[in-house]
Parts: sequence; C-alpha cells; structure tokens
Amino acid sequence: GQQVMQIPQYQHVQEGEDFTTYCNSSTTLSNIQWYKQRPGGHPVFLIQLVKSGEVKKQKRLTFQFGEAKKNSSLHITATQTTDVGTYFCAENTGNQFYFGTGTSLTVIP
Amino acid sequence: GAVVSQHPSRVICKSGTSVKIECRSLDFQATTMFWYRQFPKQSLMLMATSNEGSKATYEQGVEKDKFLINHASLTLSTLTVTSAHPEDSSFYICSASPRGGTSSGANVLTFGAGSRLTVL
Repeated sequence: GQQVMQIPQYQHVQEGEDFTTYCNSSTTLSNIQWYKQRPGGHPVFLIQLVKSGEVKKQKRLTFQFGEAKKNSSLHITATQTTDVGTYFCAENTGNQFYFGTGTSLTVIP
Repeated sequence: GAVVSQHPSRVICKSGTSVKIECRSLDFQATTMFWYRQFPKQSLMLMATSNEGSKATYEQGVEKDKFLINHASLTLSTLTVTSAHPEDSSFYICSASPRGGTSSGANVLTFGAGSRLTVL
C-alpha cells in the first residue's frame, strides 16, 4: 500500500506547550483521517477531513488539510497530560485504510 | 457507537503452538475486517483484509499459512497464528468499518482492544 509519512516520530513537550504533527504524502489524498492511540490502548478515530484547505477544530485540537491535499497537520494548543499518546493520520480509499507512521507525544508535567 | 470486541487481550504460549484471536463486531455487520500488527513504539502494519465468505487478502510479506484468517460470519473474524515462534510476539489489533459509516457518513475504522501475544 501507499505510504504516508509523519513527522516528527517522537515529541516531548512540557505541559502547557503547543504540539504539532505533520502528515505528508507524495500523492494526492482522497481524504485524511486522524486517530489517537493512548499508551497500551487501541487507536480511536478523531476526525476526517475531505476538502482542500479544510480546517476543523475539536476543543484544543486543530486539524488542517493542505490545499493540494497532499499533507495534513494536527495542532494541539496548551497540551495536557491527557494528550499523551500516538497520533496517526490515515487515508481511506474505498475499502482500504492506509496509516501514517505515527507521532508519539509525551507530555511532561 | 460501533464496538469491536477482541479476545484474548493477552496470551502467552509455548513455541510451536497455535493461537487463535477472535474479533467480533458487536452492534454492526462487517463484511470486511482488518488485521494489524504493531511492534512497540511503531506504526500499525496492515497484515490482511478479512472478507466475509471469501479468502482474506494478505499484504506483501505476510505468510498466509502462518497467519490463518477466517471470516465465517458478518460479525466474526479470527486470526490464527500457527506454529508460533518468539518472533511472532507482538500486539495484534483487528478493526472494522460499519456500513454507512458515522452519522456524518465518514467511513472510519473501529478498533478492537488488541491482543498481546508472547511466545516463549
């Protein structure tokens, strides 16, 4: 399957600092989905973006889809310890889902 | 919301034995289920796509005879790790996508809680 790269692979932030993870593809994406996996847990769906340049917010989380639909970002404002986990982007094409490499976030109290 | 049940959550077995992991969609039908493998601090690696009533589609590099998948009904898929060896130790997660998607129509994955396999 196609590969979607995410950067950074790991990120440590002090509680209260902002955090951003980026998802990049060499091809145009049909859509982009974001999932969060808590340590020891399983991925949970957060949101889907479909339109070019689309921006969606969920409380302190801001999701953006690039104009060319080849990249996406997830920004967390004022991180909290509950934000700890690995964030994955994914593309859904038909009946297939292609996951990014993930960004592991550690929040230092 | 959609719920996927997976068990066992943890299993320890001896080398050479086989282990079966079950994945059930509890409140929806899933013609397709996906099996992933995840190593510590790494991404989700798609192993195979399980299709109800037909053969599973395996990703490149995944041994069909090693990882047997059966999807006998619209709510149950099983993964059997045959003749397990220590290198098969990993976190295995199943997922499914409810027909019709979410209330917004998005086609999203609901994951099981995962099964941590340790082969001694």
